[in-house]
Amino acid sequence: ELKVEQNPLFLSMQEGKNYTIYCNYSTTSDRLYWYRQDPGKSLESLFVLLSNGAVKQEGRLMASLDTKARLSTLHITAAVHDLSATYFCAPLRAGADGLTFGKGTHLIIQP
Amino acid sequence: DTGVSQDPRHKITKRGQNVTFRCDPISEHNRLYWYRQTLGQGPEFLTYFQNEAQLEKSRLLSDRFSAERPKGSFSTLEIQRTEQGDSAMYLCASSLLAAVNGYTFGSGTRLTVV
Repeated sequence: ELKVEQNPLFLSMQEGKNYTIYCNYSTTSDRLYWYRQDPGKSLESLFVLLSNGAVKQEGRLMASLDTKARLSTLHITAAVHDLSATYFCAPLRAGADGLTFGKGTHLIIQP
Repeated sequence: DTGVSQDPRHKITKRGQNVTFRCDPISEHNRLYWYRQTLGQGPEFLTYFQNEAQLEKSRLLSDRFSAERPKGSFSTLEIQRTEQGDSAMYLCASSLLAAVNGYTFGSGTRLTVV
């Protein structure tokens, strides 16, 4: 069974600071997805990481994937209030049909 | 195409009643997925279809849960004899076969069982 652990689960940070969210998973997975969820809303796709060593950047967010270490990171640069949300990672286990989500990282960015 | 549509957005039902939710995927997506999300947790995979074929249903939470996609387009998720523990957000997602562009989620149906 694939287990997904996100760290931290809750993060409060100030605008302008940098921080990294970690996503560890227990079983070999070929690809990994990052999503953002605002309160009461659905999931917004952020990044699709399809292979080992993949790195993708969009604005102040950058995601990477190390399939050998079974680790993905989501790095936030110079945080702004609009990035406050819950962030989920979801690896796709080889041969599996549905995503397995972590518990999410609840991020609050304060002025 | 406006993305994945789910209906209704909210449903309040009494314990023991049956409920049915509808999902309309992105038209060119041949895969459709159902997930359940409870408060403070990540979504939990329930079942999925490739066109009209339901290829995985062992993850449905109990035999009270069933899903259909009769013509390979929209899908329905039915919960019979609802229980308070069924209260959750039910999310639908769709994708192309290889999901290289990811999965697109709908806005969800929030179910409250009273």
